[in-house]
Amino acid sequence: SAVISQKPSRDICQRGTSLTIQCQVDSQVTMMFWYRQQPGQSLTLIATANQGSEATYESGFVIDKFPISRPNLTFSTLTVSNMSPEDSSIYLCSVGLGSYEQYFGPGTRLTVT
Amino acid sequence: GENVEQHPSTLSVQEGDSAVIKCTYSDSASNYFPWYKQELGKRPQLIIDIRSNVGEKKDQRIAVTLNKTAKHFSLHITETQPEDSAVYFCAASGAGGFKTIFGAGTRLFVKA
Repeated sequence: SAVISQKPSRDICQRGTSLTIQCQVDSQVTMMFWYRQQPGQSLTLIATANQGSEATYESGFVIDKFPISRPNLTFSTLTVSNMSPEDSSIYLCSVGLGSYEQYFGPGTRLTVT
Repeated sequence: GENVEQHPSTLSVQEGDSAVIKCTYSDSASNYFPWYKQELGKRPQLIIDIRSNVGEKKDQRIAVTLNKTAKHFSLHITETQPEDSAVYFCAASGAGGFKTIFGAGTRLFVKA
């Protein structure tokens, strides 16, 4: 597996503002992903963070709302823009290793007031 | 679209009993089926996985079975312990590379 860290671990933000979440891996990985997990719910894939090109977004998620950067093979950021209370959730990054195994970061718990 | 259904949503067992969680998937091209355990406030952790060329896989007290024809797979936990209490997610991927679809989760309670 890999050691994956996320910053911040939690935050409370005002509606209308933006928050950038960082994901750092201790080794180079090709595949990095961002998920959302709403309280008591399952994991929903937001996008695949592609190194050197634009992220690939899943249905229901758009770049203007969730811009993603992937400057190198160990780091990615997810920004939650123009936040509303509905964006309150846990945001997790994950990395793909081997043949389809995914390992998750510790998550960022976001509360929007 | 792709879908993974998971049952039951809640499961309560007595310590020492077995627990079984079942999932079905819709995309016949899926070929990788991981199971994750998520304790309260923690990240999901990969506990076991199975690939489409294998029918069963076991690791100590946990085992997974896969029926590709019926498109369903199951997690079996034997001799359950209180520390097995958590939410378990099944998932399916491989049809479109790494893209992974998760089931809704099963909250397992193991009563001491």
